[in-house]
Amino acid sequence: ETGVTQSPTHLIKTRGQQVTLRCSSQSGHNTVSWYQQALGQGPQFIFQYYREEENGRGNFPPRFSGLQFPNYSSELNVNALELDDSALYLCASSFTSGDTQYFGPGTRLTVL
Amino acid sequence: GIQVEQSPPDLILQEGANSTLRCNFSDSVNNLQWFHQNPWGQLINLFYIPSGTKQNGRLSATTVATERYSLLYISSSQTTDSGVYFCAVDIRTGANNLFFGTGTRLTVIP
Repeated sequence: ETGVTQSPTHLIKTRGQQVTLRCSSQSGHNTVSWYQQALGQGPQFIFQYYREEENGRGNFPPRFSGLQFPNYSSELNVNALELDDSALYLCASSFTSGDTQYFGPGTRLTVL
Repeated sequence: GIQVEQSPPDLILQEGANSTLRCNFSDSVNNLQWFHQNPWGQLINLFYIPSGTKQNGRLSATTVATERYSLLYISSSQTTDSGVYFCAVDIRTGANNLFFGTGTRLTVIP
């Protein structure tokens, strides 16, 4: 059974650029959640996708957007990058919405 | 909004010692999970425990939802237990949109 995978592992962008992060959910899981973890803090919930529909959103601006595909993999897109967007971005999948979440290794984004 | 506080913020243990980590939350929640984040950033699921007690090897957890707290017990600690321990609560019915606590940084020294 393949766990949650994320790509890329590291990414460097400049302020104002756009970025797309990718996540493949664990086999059999139909729900994907995204979190942002700034250095020294706990993860913060961005949004969740359940069967290709957004199923909850945290306190993040609209320039953070997402997508879930029919195979339940997911993308996180961030437009107009700001320096404060530098963080570890974590993806988690679960068998269904409300179930235990399993996290991927994360993508570390640096915005210069 | 909901507050999730963990204590202690930092803990240093000698290998073989036992410890108790606490998570207090300010409102009723639908679910609670404990995670261990290793030094490489990987979050590892320890327990899914909305109420009651569970055990897994040297680790056990107890959640008393009516009193709004959860405890994580680590017995016979090992250096590989080092890292940050987070509790996270579900702030929205059924969807398990997790709100993370402040974390406890554990260092186990040989």
